[in-house]
Amino acid sequence: DSGVTQTPKHLITATGQRVTLRCSPRSGDLSVYWYQQSLDQGLQFLIQYYNGEERAKGNILERFSAQQFPDLHSELNLSSLELGDSALYFCASSAPQGGGGEKLFFGSGTQLSVL
Amino acid sequence: GNSVTQMEGPVTLSEEAFLTINCTYTATGYPSLFWYVQYPGEGLQLLLKATKADDKGSNKGFEATYRKETTSFHLEKGSVQVSDSAVYFCALSDRGNQGGKLIFGQGTELSVKP
Repeated sequence: DSGVTQTPKHLITATGQRVTLRCSPRSGDLSVYWYQQSLDQGLQFLIQYYNGEERAKGNILERFSAQQFPDLHSELNLSSLELGDSALYFCASSAPQGGGGEKLFFGSGTQLSVL
Repeated sequence: GNSVTQMEGPVTLSEEAFLTINCTYTATGYPSLFWYVQYPGEGLQLLLKATKADDKGSNKGFEATYRKETTSFHLEKGSVQVSDSAVYFCALSDRGNQGGKLIFGQGTELSVKP
């Protein structure tokens, strides 16, 4: 058990809909990362938050947004869903480590199916 | 930009065979390098890491050496087991960037047959 909790584990929805994925990081970790894993794109970095502030942005679509709350949990919002958004969405957390080499702890993921 | 390239899978081996999964990277500065493993139905777990050139990361019989001259971080294991069947991801992060994101390769699926 990594200590990172993601809900729900599975989500089935229709095109055009909006969903929210939730992530609770490990106790004490300030950074939260969101990744999208699909067969054709592999593991793509979406966005990172650190202590409530956006730290880095990757290949995140404008239809997607995220935030990190004061209790450090994070939500990823996906709207106007398309078939191609079907993927496994991972959340990870980490604590700062001097000199780099940060270790990410991954949740089990949310499998999103857009029908 | 920074990127990671891994050998394509799937890789199928017999138990006790020698494993090499190639990984090369492109990066500015001096990244830290990682291997993560993903077992079926689970999230990624850190397998090993190296934070500077010539460092060797090792864990559970797996090893990888940070080679700056060849920009490589190949994963090796002398004798694989059926339980090693999983997807292996090579990754890098920018050194010194606290809480920095990781950039992953495409992943290499390993299947070990008894």
